[in-house]
Amino acid sequence: AQSVTQLGSHVSVSEGALVLLRCNYSSSVPPYLFWYVQYPNQGLQLLLKYTSAATLVKGINGFEAEFKKSETSFHLTKPSAHMSDAAEYFCAVRGKGDSTLTFGKGTMLLVSP
Amino acid sequence: EAEVAQSPRYKITEKSQAVAFWCDPISGHATLYWYRQILGQGPELLVQFQDESVVDDSQLPKDRFSAERLKGVDSTLKIQPAELGDSAMYLCASSLAEPGGRGEQFFGPGTRLTVL
Repeated sequence: AQSVTQLGSHVSVSEGALVLLRCNYSSSVPPYLFWYVQYPNQGLQLLLKYTSAATLVKGINGFEAEFKKSETSFHLTKPSAHMSDAAEYFCAVRGKGDSTLTFGKGTMLLVSP
Repeated sequence: EAEVAQSPRYKITEKSQAVAFWCDPISGHATLYWYRQILGQGPELLVQFQDESVVDDSQLPKDRFSAERLKGVDSTLKIQPAELGDSAMYLCASSLAEPGGRGEQFFGPGTRLTVL
């Protein structure tokens, strides 16, 4: 069975600082990996996805993530945080040939002025 | 831009009552998903449809939950009777039926259920 672990239920940064949200996956074979963002009382929006092409994946809103097989990680980064980035972020995994997404518990990103 | 529609957005009910949620997927999306998201947790799959057929309902509490997609387009999720522990956000998602399950899932805004 596949699973993801998101380290840190809350991450606080100052506006303009580096954002780093951590995600580690557990899978017998390299899976597909995703990052979603959720604003209060809204659905999930896809930020980016890894589907076994380039290991460095660029997404929307200036976010990117790097797939590291040796570390079984897919951490999300953004060089400079903006107030509008404050939201909850979910890492998710899906096996190849499988359509079921398994989500982590989420990390709430807080951005202070 | 095509979106997944859900209604109602918010629902408050008393325990033991029946509730129903509606989802209209993006046109042409054959695969439809219902997720439950408890506060502070990630979404968990309840049921997956391919057209009008259930593909996976292994996590659906079938004693009180039911889901249907009669014409393979919109879908209804029902809870009867509702319990306090059912308070959560119910999310609907849809995707194209691509080979190997590669279709990206697009999420609706969700229905926030509060059971008193």
